[in-house]
Amino acid sequence: GNSVTQMEGPVTLSEEAFLTINCTYTATGYPSLFWYVQYPGEGLQLLLKATKADDKGSNKGFEATYRKETTSFHLEKGSVQVSDSAVYFCARGGYQKVTFGIGTKLQVIP
Amino acid sequence: GAVVSQHPSWVICKSGTSVKIECRSLDFQATTMFWYRQFPKQSLMLMATSNEGSKATYEQGVEKDKFLINHASLTLSTLTVTSAHPEDSSFYICSALPYPGQTTNYGYTFGSGTRLTVV
Repeated sequence: GNSVTQMEGPVTLSEEAFLTINCTYTATGYPSLFWYVQYPGEGLQLLLKATKADDKGSNKGFEATYRKETTSFHLEKGSVQVSDSAVYFCARGGYQKVTFGIGTKLQVIP
Repeated sequence: GAVVSQHPSWVICKSGTSVKIECRSLDFQATTMFWYRQFPKQSLMLMATSNEGSKATYEQGVEKDKFLINHASLTLSTLTVTSAHPEDSSFYICSALPYPGQTTNYGYTFGSGTRLTVV
């Protein structure tokens, strides 16, 4: 079946550090790929998405590129802030449901 | 646009009672809504897919008599946890497809979640 694998956290970074959270997906079909963010005590918000190979999704300084050759959709940010502390979920679309990765907790310290 | 409102945001109930959680699409019609459960430090587990005007489709292992889903209108789906027990304590999140007829390749719009604590 469809699956998404993302690196387990927690990830702890100092403010202004570079962030990478790895994500790979199963290659069945032509799924859209997503990154969602969940702040403490809240639901999930769509952070960015890409719908086809080589697309780059971007939002709030975060970027991820749909790499079909490596079946990856790694999340990156050049300079993280304390306010970026949250749990990040990689996900892939499908015909019937969205499949989520396990979530990676990011903690940014001043 | 495409806002999903979920109510209540948190609830505490006694063991054996039932709790209803509401999920509303505020500015669009949602023919399909999804109910997820999230355990601490774990990912989202899809419980069921709710379709307006028809029976919900439950995922394997989810008790449909325990978790009653009603999607009676294009803007409202409800999840009722019947005869709740402490092990039902969890974070429940609903989501909807922002445009009717879209596949999940479009992505979801999520509600803000409901923290259920059964004592």
